[in-house]
Amino acid sequence: DGGITQSPKYLFRKEGQNVTLSCEQNLNHDAMYWYRQDPGQGLRLIYYSQIVNDFQKGDIAEGYSVSREKKESFPLTVTSAQKNPTAFYLCASSISHYSYNEQFFGPGTRLTVL
Amino acid sequence: ELKVEQNPLFLSMQEGKNYTIYCNYSTTSDRLYWYRQDPGKSLESLFVLLSNGAVKQEGRLMASLDTKARLSTLHITAAVHDLSATYFCAVDMKTSGSRLTFGEGTQLTVNP
Repeated sequence: DGGITQSPKYLFRKEGQNVTLSCEQNLNHDAMYWYRQDPGQGLRLIYYSQIVNDFQKGDIAEGYSVSREKKESFPLTVTSAQKNPTAFYLCASSISHYSYNEQFFGPGTRLTVL
Repeated sequence: ELKVEQNPLFLSMQEGKNYTIYCNYSTTSDRLYWYRQDPGKSLESLFVLLSNGAVKQEGRLMASLDTKARLSTLHITAAVHDLSATYFCAVDMKTSGSRLTFGEGTQLTVNP
C-alpha cells in the first residue's frame, strides 16, 4: 500500500527535551511538508522540502529543525527552543513542489508537553 | 501575503437541508483545494479545482471556483449525519509551487 506514515501517534515531552517526529512516504513524491495544527484552527506550515538535501522554512519555523537525507523520509525535531509545542503535527507530500499538486497527509502525531 | 478566509466557521444544520460554505482568498490564484477532517484525524482530500469556473461534485458535496471573485464554494445538498466534520479550503499560488495556505476551517454538525 502506498501512503504516508507518521510515528509515534502520541508523544509526550518534558520541558527542555528535544523530540523527533518521524514521517515516511512510499509514494515516490519529491516534495514533503510539515504542518502544525492547534485546537480549532487551520494548518500552519513549519518546513517544506522540494527535493532531497534541500528544505525551506515555512511560516512558523522557529524552534523546529528538519533534515531530508532520503527521498522517503522527512523527520521533524521539536527543540527546547519551541516554547509552546503542544499541538497536532501533520506531515504531507506531493509529487512535486514546482507544479500544482494536491498534498496527501499522514495520520498525524499528537505532541503533549508535560 | 496570501490570506484565506472561510465562513461560517461553525455550522449546525438539520439532516435533509442544503447549505453553502464560502472560501475567500486575497490574491490571484487558480488552484484551490478542499479537505475534510474528522475529529482527531488527518486531512482527506475532497476536491482539486484548477481553473476559473471549475465545478466538481462527489455525492452530496459540490465545489466551485470563481477566480475573478477569488471565491470558492462548497455546497452541501440534503445533508446527512456522516457529513459532520471540519472542512478546510486551501489555496496556492503559481509562484509558490504547491505550498498551501489554509483557511481556518468550517466545523459542520449535521443533526438528525
